Amino acid sequence: GQQLNQSPQSMFIQEGEDVSMNCTSSSIFNTWLWYKQDPGEGPVLLIALYKAGELTSNGRLTAQFGITRKDSFLNISASIPSDVGIYFCAGYPSRSKLIFGQGTTLQVKP
Amino acid sequence: NAGVMQNPRHLVRRRGQEARLRCSPMKGHSHVYWYRQLPEEGLKFMVYLQKENIIDESGMPKERFSAEFPKEGPSILRIQQVVRGDSAAYFCASSPQGQGSSYEQYFGPGTRLTVT
Repeated sequence: GQQLNQSPQSMFIQEGEDVSMNCTSSSIFNTWLWYKQDPGEGPVLLIALYKAGELTSNGRLTAQFGITRKDSFLNISASIPSDVGIYFCAGYPSRSKLIFGQGTTLQVKP
Repeated sequence: NAGVMQNPRHLVRRRGQEARLRCSPMKGHSHVYWYRQLPEEGLKFMVYLQKENIIDESGMPKERFSAEFPKEGPSILRIQQVVRGDSAAYFCASSPQGQGSSYEQYFGPGTRLTVT
């Protein structure tokens, strides 16, 4: 089946540093979503991307929809301790089914 | 505006019992999705429902699992004769529409099922 490959698997950074993670697919997607999940909670939608080449920001977060429609990346600038969590990319190979990457675990050292 | 509600948050069942997980979508949302998450993994799609209709159940095991979204009341994910392998976090999401431009799904806090 279709898969999303997300990297890196985990990151351990210093507070104030910028973070970048990406997601690639074996097939074309029409929509990319980025979520953050805290322990014991459900994923929270951060950014939605609908057009190839689109660059969208949400505060310190910026995400881009790759031109090939097979990849997306998420940047977090000036990280803070509350950025800790697991970040997931997700995309629609069909209208009804959202598939998720394996997640990037982010740890921030104060 | 209340978000997606799920209950119970934690559920313990013995092998062979039935588990019932409930999900109330966000106000104004008529599309519900169920996902399963194992530790250290991403979420896996199970089923997509609209009111009184199952639209896509391709991710749901054919046996022991069923889902419904009645005209009135919450969506229910039912697991009959649970086994230890069913232990996982089950998440529900809702969206205002399942087709067209809005593909944004909003998730509930999940139900953590433990089978002993």
